[in-house]
Amino acid sequence: NAGVMQNPRHLVRRRGQEARLRCSPMKGHSHVYWYRQLPEEGLKFMVYLQKENIIDESGMPKERFSAEFPKEGPSILRIQQVVRGDSAAYFCASSWGASGYEQYFGPGTRLTVT
Amino acid sequence: SQQGEEDPQALSIQEGENATMNCSYKTSINNLQWYRQNSGRGLVHLILIRSNEREKHSGRLRVTLDTSKKSSSLLITASRAADTASYFCATGQGGSEKLVFGKGTKLTVNP
Repeated sequence: NAGVMQNPRHLVRRRGQEARLRCSPMKGHSHVYWYRQLPEEGLKFMVYLQKENIIDESGMPKERFSAEFPKEGPSILRIQQVVRGDSAAYFCASSWGASGYEQYFGPGTRLTVT
Repeated sequence: SQQGEEDPQALSIQEGENATMNCSYKTSINNLQWYRQNSGRGLVHLILIRSNEREKHSGRLRVTLDTSKKSSSLLITASRAADTASYFCATGQGGSEKLVFGKGTKLTVNP
């Protein structure tokens, strides 16, 4: 029973390029969360999605960032025109339900913007 | 704003000793979860405790929750060098259950 999968594990982008981060939730999980972690910090919530729906994007920057969770395939976090401040570890978590269920995390994607 | 705040920020103990980490939060919660993160790695889920529960055990881990004081503690008994990691508490709030994390406690267990 595979856990949450994320790819790529490491991503290097130059300023102005686009970054696409992928997340496949655990089997049977239909709730996906994205978090960002800066060095020596805790995780900060970005967005919560269910299949084909964004439920809560209150933690997502208004510009350049978008997320989707299509009917088929992984969830994608997209960052357009990356800047140095986007360098961070991006973690995806999935859960079976929304309320009161454990969230299981993937290994993360470490984005470096040069 | 930060919700969970872990205390202490760093803790160094000898193998075999117990480690206690505390977490305080500010608003009402539905549940509280503890995670472990090894350096440069993802988060490993340890325990979820619901707001109507007071204590939970899992192996060498014991978690307590005091909703009147808005605090939780994680106790690791008979610690091992492999327990060296950062430990985070995260509170689940509202309908979306987004988790709000503290900055974590960095635990070092010396062999």
